[in-house]
Amino acid sequence: DTAVSQTPKYLVTQMGNDKSIKCEQNLGHDTMYWYKQDSKKFLKIMFSYNNKELIINETVPNRFSPKSPDKAHLNLHINSLELGDSAVYFCASSQGSSGATQYFGPGTRLTVL
Amino acid sequence: GENVEQHPSTLSVQEGDSAVIKCTYSDSASNYFPWYKQELGKRPQLIIDIRSNVGEKKDQRIAVTLNKTAKHFSLHITETQPEDSAVYFCAASGRTYKYIFGTGTRLKVLA
Repeated sequence: DTAVSQTPKYLVTQMGNDKSIKCEQNLGHDTMYWYKQDSKKFLKIMFSYNNKELIINETVPNRFSPKSPDKAHLNLHINSLELGDSAVYFCASSQGSSGATQYFGPGTRLTVL
Repeated sequence: GENVEQHPSTLSVQEGDSAVIKCTYSDSASNYFPWYKQELGKRPQLIIDIRSNVGEKKDQRIAVTLNKTAKHFSLHITETQPEDSAVYFCAASGRTYKYIFGTGTRLKVLA
């Protein structure tokens, strides 16, 4: 009955590698998000897709590329990983326009060595 | 730009006491204000929310108040329990799909 799921839960990798994180929601929502939570716990929006179209693209290095193959999935691919990319990445989903409740996935803890 | 300030950053209370966390937002178009609780190693979970047409909302021991004129909203937790210990985030959402989150408050309830 998991509403928003992410894989993997943990990801440990070397600098310079390329990695992907996957997110799926079974809530029937039309909007999905990626957030980055750093070591100080700040939650920062990175991207958002509505009906598979990119609607929010914050100031994020272009090494980060989101992809939404359908409304239920939003993946995040990261090229040339850097030490500063180490963080917890949360996927979230919501239904509708502004003022919609967002539901978060369990997070992916990325550690870049 | 859009901004949400949250205070205090840490809060320690004795079990049974009340806890209050305050947020201020900058975008006057904001109309939805959720509060999330994040336990250690877990995802943020919605605990209560309020919309701009309401001044106060209560759910058992948790209440949220909103002052649109002053652009303030607050979370009140009464009769705190050790399991209330967590990081609490406020957020504001308005003209876009985007939430702007506060910087979080680490609440410790001392038994």
